[in-house]
Amino acid sequence: RKEVEQDPGPFNVPEGATVAFNCTYSNSASQSFFWYRQDCRKEPKLLMSVYSSGNEDGRFTAQLNRASQYISLLIRDSKLSDSATYLCVVGGGGADGLTFGKGTHLIIQP
Amino acid sequence: DTAVSQTPKYLVTQMGNDKSIKCEQNLGHDTMYWYKQDSKKFLKIMFSYNNKELIINETVPNRFSPKSPDKAHLNLHINSLELGDSAVYFCASSQGKMGSPLHFGNGTRLTVT
Repeated sequence: RKEVEQDPGPFNVPEGATVAFNCTYSNSASQSFFWYRQDCRKEPKLLMSVYSSGNEDGRFTAQLNRASQYISLLIRDSKLSDSATYLCVVGGGGADGLTFGKGTHLIIQP
Repeated sequence: DTAVSQTPKYLVTQMGNDKSIKCEQNLGHDTMYWYKQDSKKFLKIMFSYNNKELIINETVPNRFSPKSPDKAHLNLHINSLELGDSAVYFCASSQGKMGSPLHFGNGTRLTVT
């Protein structure tokens, strides 16, 4: 079983729509959760941390479900500039640092 | 004021050569990493150093040797380069314990011909 699993997409979404994607993780002892964004030929950048109670940052909402071992990212009122690959990142369950999913490719269409 | 900087940005070399990639962070972080992102975009940790001490050494060929002269620097030396080493190598740093968010450098695109 893969440690961090995401649907690779691509998700083609019209501008202004709401889009959501999930990520599942296998290590139940995981303690830290993040969403990173990676633009083409660029480095990954932290989008937001994910907290147990769920958290929101502008148009972005992240949620954690420990029982089912998944985290989600919701993007409202999507913009063309939201087009990127979104990486689910899980860590803190051992000495191995952060584990990255393969990413979900999102394309916002005008 | 680049937080995590790595050089060179592009590296094209022939099989069998030895090359180095340098990384420096000015964030005052305790932990630095090397990640490899292959053609399928999978980002995988290679090494991690905390205060100059090696704490993660994943299953990586021993042709790859990290060196940390101080906690702000983590260099990666690669001997006898092979075609399969072609990838983007990212340096990163984090503050505090494992599991803290990472700050990445802008990557080194290595092409072995």
